[in-house]
Amino acid sequence: EVQLSESGGGLVQPGGSLRLSCAASGFNFTIYVMTWVRQVPGKGLEWVSAISKNSDTTYYAVSVKGRFTISRDNSKNTLYLQMNSLRVEDTAIYYCVKGGWADNWGQGTLVTVSS
Amino acid sequence: DIQMTQSPSSLSASVGDRVTITCRASQGIGNNLGWYQQKPGTAPKRLIYGASSLESGVPSRFSGSGSGTEFTLTISSLQPEDFATYYCQHHNIYPRTFGGGTKVEIK
Repeated sequence: EVQLSESGGGLVQPGGSLRLSCAASGFNFTIYVMTWVRQVPGKGLEWVSAISKNSDTTYYAVSVKGRFTISRDNSKNTLYLQMNSLRVEDTAIYYCVKGGWADNWGQGTLVTVSS
Repeated sequence: DIQMTQSPSSLSASVGDRVTITCRASQGIGNNLGWYQQKPGTAPKRLIYGASSLESGVPSRFSGSGSGTEFTLTISSLQPEDFATYYCQHHNIYPRTFGGGTKVEIK
């Protein structure tokens, strides 16, 4: 069974940093593109970032480019999202998603950016 | 970037109704489209991939069609557990944007 478990969310002040992690199990992590998607509570879904299976290619939404960095450790079956220069509008639930076609989703971790 | 426009943004329907949701892409995406269902407080779940392929375990009352720029999700006979918000997402180039969502409510 595919399992994706996000962690690292919490309350941070504007301008601060946070690192999200996603522990993956139940599938061959090393052969899949992995993705982050976020959702402001009560609002729609926003694609954030994706990384190729061997980390040689990364993609970002315009809204986070230059501030967020996606990475992965295939030896640990773990996906990361380093978030710097956080803004109030980055407040959202962040989902870890398997594949470029978003076939399995984690339960999400809430990031709140507030002073 | 490819923009995805869903309509309607919300609808009210009764159990047993046939429901159709439309998703339009700002440029052609072939059949590279997925549909997702999200219930309150839970993560989205993929229903359809490749525009018309049903995810394993998803009831056959759900179906997807379309290609190019216009796509539809149809629920042939709405069931109580289908009341949720539905999203489309293109799986073509990056960024892989989502539609704005369609909330299906009880009439």
